[in-house]
Amino acid sequence: DSGVTQTPKHLITATGQRVTLRCSPRSGDLSVYWYQQSLDQGLQFLIQYYNGEERAKGNILERFSAQQFPDLHSELNLSSLELGDSALYFCASRGTGSYGYTFGSGTRLTVV
Amino acid sequence: GENVEQHPSTLSVQEGDSAVIKCTYSDSASNYFPWYKQELGKRPQLIIDIRSNVGEKKDQRIAVTLNKTAKHFSLHITETQPEDSAVYFCAASIRIQGAQKLVFGQGTRLTINP
Repeated sequence: DSGVTQTPKHLITATGQRVTLRCSPRSGDLSVYWYQQSLDQGLQFLIQYYNGEERAKGNILERFSAQQFPDLHSELNLSSLELGDSALYFCASRGTGSYGYTFGSGTRLTVV
Repeated sequence: GENVEQHPSTLSVQEGDSAVIKCTYSDSASNYFPWYKQELGKRPQLIIDIRSNVGEKKDQRIAVTLNKTAKHFSLHITETQPEDSAVYFCAASIRIQGAQKLVFGQGTRLTINP
């Protein structure tokens, strides 16, 4: 167990639907990062939050949004889902003053 | 700019031989370079990292070297074992919009042949 918790582990939904992925960072970590990994692809940075505030955006689609709550957990909202959104979505957290990321186990999203 | 190139994309070696994976980065301000191992369907796990103030770091069968002048770093695995088979990602830290983030290479699928 890495200390970063992601739910649900698997999600199957239809095109056009909306889903919410949840991430709880390691205790004490203020930074949360979201990454998308499509089949046999690398890790594409989506967005970062630090202590409740958005800090950096990557290649995140307008149909996607995220937020970090006062208890530091984060949610990634994906709407108007398309087949191409099927992927593994990873959350990672990082402690202040630390450089390394710790990844959660991911949410596998399948859009049918 | 932010770019990390990783080579090769696939690598097959005989058990017991060495494996080397290479990465180059573009941001001269990058100062942290981790390597992650990802087994099929699982999360990426940090296996070794190096800061820009050192040129080499070793942990048992794994070592990483860094050449800041050339902006490249490499992962070396010696005496490879079947359990080393996985996808390996390099990454480099960059600062963008005032925040630190990691940019990942595209990954190397390493297969150890018994």
